[in-house]
Amino acid sequence: GQSLEQPSEVTAVEGAIVQINCTYQTSGFYGLSWYQQHDGGAPTFLSYNALDGLEETGRFSSFLSRSDSYGYLLLQELQMKDSASYFCAVRDAGFKTIFGAGTRLFVKA
Amino acid sequence: ETGVTQSPTHLIKTRGQQVTLRCSSQSGHNTVSWYQQALGQGPQFIFQYYREEENGRGNFPPRFSGLQFPNYSSELNVNALELDDSALYLCASSLTDNGPNEQFFGPGTRLTVL
Repeated sequence: GQSLEQPSEVTAVEGAIVQINCTYQTSGFYGLSWYQQHDGGAPTFLSYNALDGLEETGRFSSFLSRSDSYGYLLLQELQMKDSASYFCAVRDAGFKTIFGAGTRLFVKA
Repeated sequence: ETGVTQSPTHLIKTRGQQVTLRCSSQSGHNTVSWYQQALGQGPQFIFQYYREEENGRGNFPPRFSGLQFPNYSSELNVNALELDDSALYLCASSLTDNGPNEQFFGPGTRLTVL
């Protein structure tokens, strides 16, 4: 079956760096995306990796290793507003986007 | 704001009834996807429409059906509602190309089945 695994919960302090890992098993692979969702809100797109390596967008970076079926989202200089759920998602060969169950990030003062 | 709108925002139905949810895509987007999100879970892919044709479907029974219109707006229909259908239903629009498939989500419709 198809699945994405990510930690259910991560806690970090304001100003710190946190890494959220994602491993995937899917039928075909057309890129790994990351989305942020605040409570009561809709998911919003953060980043995308189609090729191996690191993509940087401001305080957020995302990494992909296709040979390991693994990626991560790196959040730097954490702020209280970063407290949210983070989802990795893979687009498979059948035009489906498969989401992980999400990692809830708690940022403490 | 993503420019994707959904209606209604909340809906209460009883088991066995039918429901229609609506979504207006962001201007210029030709692809719409529908997701079901249970509390504390990730969005589950229901199906995707590209230029009025369904071109991808998740593990949902046939009582979940959809339409996409020429203006790329979309409907999700669910027949014979079950209690487990209670969830947040999200639509997302995108411009299908070889790029990142960035999806823009609407605020969702919260469906409660009693």
